[in-house]
Formats: sequence, C-alpha cells, structure tokens
Amino acid sequence: QPVLTQSSSASASLGSSVKLTCTLSSGHSSYIIAWHQQQPGKAPRYLMNLEGSGSYNKGSGVPDRFSGSSSGADRYLTISNLQSEDEADYYCETWDSNTRVFGGGTKLTVL
Amino acid sequence: EVQLVESGGGLVQPGGSLRLSCAASGFTFSTYSMNWVRQAPGKGLEWVSYISSSSSNIYYADSVKGRFTISRDNAKNSLYLQMNSLRDEDTAVYYCAREWRHCVDYWGQGTLVTVSS
Repeated sequence: QPVLTQSSSASASLGSSVKLTCTLSSGHSSYIIAWHQQQPGKAPRYLMNLEGSGSYNKGSGVPDRFSGSSSGADRYLTISNLQSEDEADYYCETWDSNTRVFGGGTKLTVL
Repeated sequence: EVQLVESGGGLVQPGGSLRLSCAASGFTFSTYSMNWVRQAPGKGLEWVSYISSSSSNIYYADSVKGRFTISRDNAKNSLYLQMNSLRDEDTAVYYCAREWRHCVDYWGQGTLVTVSS
C-alpha cells in the first residue's frame, strides 16, 4: 500500500504564499490524492483532489487562494495571500488495495 | 447542503461496546460509499472502515478488524459502526466521511469515544 510523507511543520508570513508537499512512496507516483484542512478544534475539511497530471477539483466554498500541482511523486498544495485562518493542520490522503491512507500531516503556522 | 451528523460516542470501559451512528442529509446517500475515520487526542487521522453504496464491499483497518463492524441503512440515510472489545487505544474522535472518486470529500463534526476504567 502507498505511504504518504509530509513535513511535520511549515511557517510563512501573513499575506505571503506557502507550498506544502505530500510525497507518494515508490511505485505509487500516479495516484490521485486529496488535501484536507483541519483548523484547531474543528473537524477536517476537504480542500481538493489532485491528479498526477496536476489537474485538481476543489471542494465547495474553497477560496481561490488554494491551488494544487504535481511533479512526479510529489503533490503540492499552494496557499497564496496567507490569512490567519489558514493556520491549521493539512493532511493528504489516498486509497489503494482496500485501504485508505493519510499522511502524518503538516502543521502550518502563519507568522 | 451535505450534512453528516455523528452520535453515540461516550465513555466506556475497556472490553465494552459502543455503537456509533451517522445521519446523512443533503445528498443521495444510497449512491455514495462511506467511511469511518478516527483521530486520537493530539494525533493524526487514521482510517477505520469503508462500506460501498450497496454494502457489497466492506473493508477494515487491521487495528480494528474482528472487533468493529460497519453497516448502513440506505432507507434511513444512516451509517453505523458497532465497536466491540474496546481498548484504551481506541480512544479518539470518530468521523463519518463521504467518499467521492476514492477520496473523502465531506466530513462530519465527529463524536468522541473514550475508553477508560
């Protein structure tokens, strides 16, 4: 089954941009993933699903500031014009062989 | 508007049982696969179980296989998780989650299960 690797933390300044990475394990570089945001004390929220081609579909109400891209086994979530409410945990997710897998999550701090 | 509302969480002793429910609304429940995902305090997300739209396919994480049972009632727009032989490590917030194109696209607000003596 695939393994999703994420950095444990990231930080960026208010109004700037940040690019979070989710890396698929060897042999799974073509997999579709999803990005989810979890603000402190809240349930996760679906942001988008993202293909290996870089094509993505965002969830309802997700701001234009959120975008996705891909390169090989890497799946990226870019957040532009960072706002204070973007401070959250971000998880990637995929599915294979009757198993759903989540990355360990990246804690984003907005400075 | 899609809504997933979990209920049934609470405090239970090790070895005990609990049944979680998830009431779905705002979409055609019978056409979507569903999942349970949990999150232990201060930890990341962990997938628990999957059920296809017609209940023909059911899968479990190894950590709960043989102890948990997922089911659904499409007539009642409801998803369930029967949890038996509960352990301390099952303590978590349990989320009901809808699936689209093999990924979760909607989450419930979660229900807390605490296993402790």
